[in-house]
Amino acid sequence: GIQVEQSPPDLILQEGANSTLRCNFSDSVNNLQWFHQNPWGQLINLFYIPSGTKQNGRLSATTVATERYSLLYISSSQTTDSGVYFCAVEDGQNFVFGPGTRLSVLP
Amino acid sequence: NAGVMQNPRHLVRRRGQEARLRCSPMKGHSHVYWYRQLPEEGLKFMVYLQKENIIDESGMPKERFSAEFPKEGPSILRIQQVVRGDSAAYFCASSPSRANEAFFGQGTRLTVV
Repeated sequence: GIQVEQSPPDLILQEGANSTLRCNFSDSVNNLQWFHQNPWGQLINLFYIPSGTKQNGRLSATTVATERYSLLYISSSQTTDSGVYFCAVEDGQNFVFGPGTRLSVLP
Repeated sequence: NAGVMQNPRHLVRRRGQEARLRCSPMKGHSHVYWYRQLPEEGLKFMVYLQKENIIDESGMPKERFSAEFPKEGPSILRIQQVVRGDSAAYFCASSPSRANEAFFGQGTRLTVV
């Protein structure tokens, strides 16, 4: 089945800093999504982005499907951005999650 | 349009009992996915269902676990004779079709004592 990798596994930032999270996948995909799991365990949809670039406030994402990666950009990070960021891809069979990037934003 | 609803939010069961987890998809969504998340780990796929059909159950243990998505009513994930290792958060997601955006419920946290 499809393999999904995320980097870095852990990231510590000072409030106000910018960051880039990466998701690599091993095969072509029909669907790619980014999620934020907050400290209470809730999964929040960030982007549905099988290809191209999208922006939502301080967050933006780019997927280059031909090169099998996606990037999530967080600008001017806030403490409320802390949590785990997952990318998930669908290969036509099921929806596979990466291992996540754990982000801690310090005040 | 209400989101994906899971209940109960928390469930405590003694070893050997049965656990029933419910998932009501978003209105208009006929595809449901179930995932398990162990503490400090990622989400692992369990089963993918479309109304009345199991499409892919490759991630579900062969014994004690079953899932259904009847024509009427919520999707049910059933765990028989629970063991301590079943303690985890169970999430379901729904989407209107394959390769479409999926939305997750808040999860059911199962604790086996």
